Amino acid sequence: KAGVTQTPRYLIKTRGQQVTLSCSPISGHRSVSWYQQTPGQGLQFLFEYFSETQRNKGNFPGRFSGRQFSNSRSEMNVSTLELGDSALYLCASSLFSSQTGGTEAFFGQGTRLTVV
Amino acid sequence: GQQLNQSPQSMFIQEGEDVSMNCTSSSIFNTWLWYKQDPGEGPVLLIALYKAGELTSNGRLTAQFGITRKDSFLNISASIPSDVGIYFCAGQGGKLIFGQGTELSVKP
Repeated sequence: KAGVTQTPRYLIKTRGQQVTLSCSPISGHRSVSWYQQTPGQGLQFLFEYFSETQRNKGNFPGRFSGRQFSNSRSEMNVSTLELGDSALYLCASSLFSSQTGGTEAFFGQGTRLTVV
Repeated sequence: GQQLNQSPQSMFIQEGEDVSMNCTSSSIFNTWLWYKQDPGEGPVLLIALYKAGELTSNGRLTAQFGITRKDSFLNISASIPSDVGIYFCAGQGGKLIFGQGTELSVKP
């Protein structure tokens, strides 16, 4: 079973540009969450999508947006990039288990975004 | 908002020693997850806990879901150099909330 796939792995952008990151979840997983990871702030929750609908949202400005497609693949977009947006962006797919009553989240390898 | 306090922030130990780290929260969680992250990679799920009081092992790793549902700990026994990395706890009660991480260094 393939894991969570994020593309691209590395990206360099200039301030003011916009960027789109892609995440393909584990087959059968309908929930996709996005996180920003920086050395100073740790793992910060951006948003979660379930069945093409945003279910939860973190405390990030409107420049950060996302969407989910009918095949559960998700994209994240950041507009008007700032230097502080440089980070590792992680996507996690999850599936609720009625057997355990809980949810396990599995991460992709991340996209390393550098804004110059 | 919900916060997790993970401690210690870093540990520097000798190979063969046991390691213990924990997370506490002011909120109740339904699930506790423990992850390990290597540099430049995404976190890898180590152990998932679903019931208060649950004690689960995965090889040399043992984790427990606190009976108050507000805390969890992870123990690593007989550490080896490949245990080096950052360990994160995460609590789920809706969205997944992460601790700040424990950076583990192991000296051969």
